Amino acid sequence: DTAVSQTPKYLVTQMGNDKSIKCEQNLGHDTMYWYKQDSKKFLKIMFSYNNKELIINETVPNRFSPKSPDKAHLNLHINSLELGDSAVYFCASSQGIQGRGYTFGSGTRLTVV
Amino acid sequence: EDQVTQSPEALRLQEGESSSLNCSYTVSGLRGLFWYRQDPGKGPEFLFTLYSAGEEKEKERLKATLTKKESFLHITAPKPEDSATYLCAVQPEYSSASKIIFGSGTRLSIRP
Repeated sequence: DTAVSQTPKYLVTQMGNDKSIKCEQNLGHDTMYWYKQDSKKFLKIMFSYNNKELIINETVPNRFSPKSPDKAHLNLHINSLELGDSAVYFCASSQGIQGRGYTFGSGTRLTVV
Repeated sequence: EDQVTQSPEALRLQEGESSSLNCSYTVSGLRGLFWYRQDPGKGPEFLFTLYSAGEEKEKERLKATLTKKESFLHITAPKPEDSATYLCAVQPEYSSASKIIFGSGTRLSIRP
């Protein structure tokens, strides 16, 4: 009965490859997010969707493309992976967009070699 | 520029030794301030939301307080299971969407 689930948990891939990370939430929330946590543990928002509509799109290379087929799913596709993309990527969800606590997934550790 | 700074970076305490973690923020208007706990290899777990100066929230051995420039997370008589990284985050008032800005966290270790 995991609330926000991400797959895969670990991803090791070579530079130049294309990869996807999937996220699903069963909380009935209408807003989902992708965050990147770097080696210094800073969490930075990348994208947010509210009812399948993109509402936050931070300064992220266009090699990163989110897709939200429905309110419960938010996937992240990354093209032409680079060494600097290595990080932990977290999916999160919330109900509404006004000052609510997020529920985070357990993260996907991406290592680009 | 909106900013969240947490101190100290790391804190080691003896079991039962109370202390406080600090989160200072610079935003042009605050909609909400959040505290999260993050265990190694896991996603952050939501603890509290504070909305206005003077507000306090409590949960077990944790108590969060808020002023106009900073928030404190007080830990009373901590136990080893309280060891984790504690993250502070703010949502600016101007934010039309749900963007929140995180600090880099305080890594707390409680020795038995």
